[in-house]
Amino acid sequence: RKEVEQDPGPFNVPEGATVAFNCTYSNSASQSFFWYRQDCRKEPKLLMSVYSSGNEDGRFTAQLNRASQYISLLIRDSKLSDSATYLCVVNKRGYGQNFVFGPGTRLSVLP
Amino acid sequence: DTAVSQTPKYLVTQMGNDKSIKCEQNLGHDTMYWYKQDSKKFLKIMFSYNNKELIINETVPNRFSPKSPDKAHLNLHINSLELGDSAVYFCASSLSFRGQGSGYTFGSGTRLTVV
Repeated sequence: RKEVEQDPGPFNVPEGATVAFNCTYSNSASQSFFWYRQDCRKEPKLLMSVYSSGNEDGRFTAQLNRASQYISLLIRDSKLSDSATYLCVVNKRGYGQNFVFGPGTRLSVLP
Repeated sequence: DTAVSQTPKYLVTQMGNDKSIKCEQNLGHDTMYWYKQDSKKFLKIMFSYNNKELIINETVPNRFSPKSPDKAHLNLHINSLELGDSAVYFCASSLSFRGQGSGYTFGSGTRLTVV
């Protein structure tokens, strides 16, 4: 099983739609979780951290399910500018800064 | 004011050459990294330095040698370049906390093409 798995997509959704991505991880000792966004030919940028109790930032909601070892990202009221690849990131050994990036899920928001 | 800057942005070179990529961060972070993103877009860690000390060294050919003169700089030197080295190389930095992790800040990448 890969360390971090994501559905590569692409997810093609109309503007205004709600879309959700899931990510599963294999290391039950992992403690740090993030969603990054990467635009075409650009560097990844931190979108949000994922906390145990779940957290929200505007139209974005992140959830963590430790028992099932997955995290999710929900985007409400999609905008054209949300089109990007969304990378799930998990730390590798349960501590420190060795992060593993998932392969990413591509989102296209269509007018 | 760029937080993590890497140079050059583009690098086209012939097989067998030796090249270096430089990275500098002005965020006061204590940990720096090199990641490789290949044509399939997979981001894989290569090296990590914490306060100038090598802490992560993944399975990378020894043609790749990182050097950290101080905690604000991490350079990558590649000897005897091969076609398979063509990729985008990202530098990143973070502030480490014992038992916890904070996110990374990435540089804008160096697109290396070996011909």
